Amino acid sequence: EAGVTQSPTHLIKTRGQQATLRCSPISGHTSVYWYQQALGLGLQFLLWYDEGEERNRGNFPPRFSGRQFPNYSSELNVNALELEDSALYLCASRYQVDTEAFFGQGTRLTVV
Amino acid sequence: RKEVEQDPGPFNVPEGATVAFNCTYSNSASQSFFWYRQDCRKEPKLLMSVYSSGNEDGRFTAQLNRASQYISLLIRDSKLSDSATYLCVVNLASYGKLTFGQGTILTVHP
Repeated sequence: EAGVTQSPTHLIKTRGQQATLRCSPISGHTSVYWYQQALGLGLQFLLWYDEGEERNRGNFPPRFSGRQFPNYSSELNVNALELEDSALYLCASRYQVDTEAFFGQGTRLTVV
Repeated sequence: RKEVEQDPGPFNVPEGATVAFNCTYSNSASQSFFWYRQDCRKEPKLLMSVYSSGNEDGRFTAQLNRASQYISLLIRDSKLSDSATYLCVVNLASYGKLTFGQGTILTVHP
């Protein structure tokens, strides 16, 4: 069974551009989470999607947005990129809200 | 106060040692708890869930104390391969929110 997959693995953008990151959850999982992990820091919660709806978001500006598609895959968009957005972006999926989450390998975003 | 706080570490232990990590959480409504490990520049991987009665998986034992709002992880007979960052995770199901601690770095040396 395939795990959580993310694309691209690496992404280099210049300041001010937009980045789009993609995530496919484990089959049967309807919840998708996005986290940001800057170098040497912990995981910061970005967004939670379930059944196609945004259910919760962390303390990030509105230029961080996303969506979940009918097949439960998800997209994270970051507009007006800033140097501080350089980080590992991790996607996780889970079957229900009280079960464990499984992570993809992440997208490493570098803003130059 | 942070929602989830972990021992700051780092922990440097010899092979064969026993090491314990603690983690406290602030929201008493938290419903489920997990330990993950994260290797350098990789994604977190589930180590074990933490049950109210405590649970063991080989060399790893997890405990939950709801009254004091902390969870613990005990690693016995440490191996070099146990070197990683260990993340305490608290789940508030009503918000669907998984909150991660900052992580504790463990280095096991020969």
